[in-house]
Amino acid sequence: EIVMTQSPATLSVSPGERATLSCRASQSVSSNLAWYQQKPGQAPRLLIYGASTRATGIPARFSGSGSGTEFTLTISSLQSEDFAVYYCQQYNNWPPLTFGQGTKVEIK
Amino acid sequence: QVQLVQSGAEVKKPGASVKVSCKASGYTFTSYYMHWVRQAPGQGLEWMGIINPSGGSTSYAQKFQGRVTMTRDTSTSTVYMELSSLRSEDTAVYYCARPKGETMSLDYWGQGTLVTVSS
Repeated sequence: EIVMTQSPATLSVSPGERATLSCRASQSVSSNLAWYQQKPGQAPRLLIYGASTRATGIPARFSGSGSGTEFTLTISSLQSEDFAVYYCQQYNNWPPLTFGQGTKVEIK
Repeated sequence: QVQLVQSGAEVKKPGASVKVSCKASGYTFTSYYMHWVRQAPGQGLEWMGIINPSGGSTSYAQKFQGRVTMTRDTSTSTVYMELSSLRSEDTAVYYCARPKGETMSLDYWGQGTLVTVSS
């Protein structure tokens, strides 16, 4: 089973600043990596798939990069609606699909 | 538009079983797999398994083998997830989720069903 590790656990950022979230896989997942945003009481929302392709309707301030074992989600200028928990997920070697433990982006 | 509508919240006693439904609409039901993912209170996302609505084949996470059964009804475009021998640690929100095309990223999610296991 591929283990996904996200860092940091919590990221404190001021509105308008850049946020950089990391995700590491225990072995290569090629570019088969997705990012999700989850707000309290809501289902996760797909942001990025294929490591760098934005899902439908996702603003351009969200970008993904990386391949193999190291991945990054960047939010270029944080808006109030971006404060949430973010998860990465690999779908290269499955079953099982595996998720990172999440990064909470909070207001500084 | 694609919609996944799940059944309502459940309260169960330890040792009981629960069956959660997920009704799909807005697309060809048999053309996409369906996953089940759960989230314990304050915790992360945990994949439980997948069903192919076309033939009914399934694959389950090892952790749930022997306790989970996923089925589908093509006449109503509904998938089901039944979890047996419930324990307190199974208290969670259970989601169905449809993958995006050929990838296994999950682009449509149900609203979630809270299952509470308590004596």
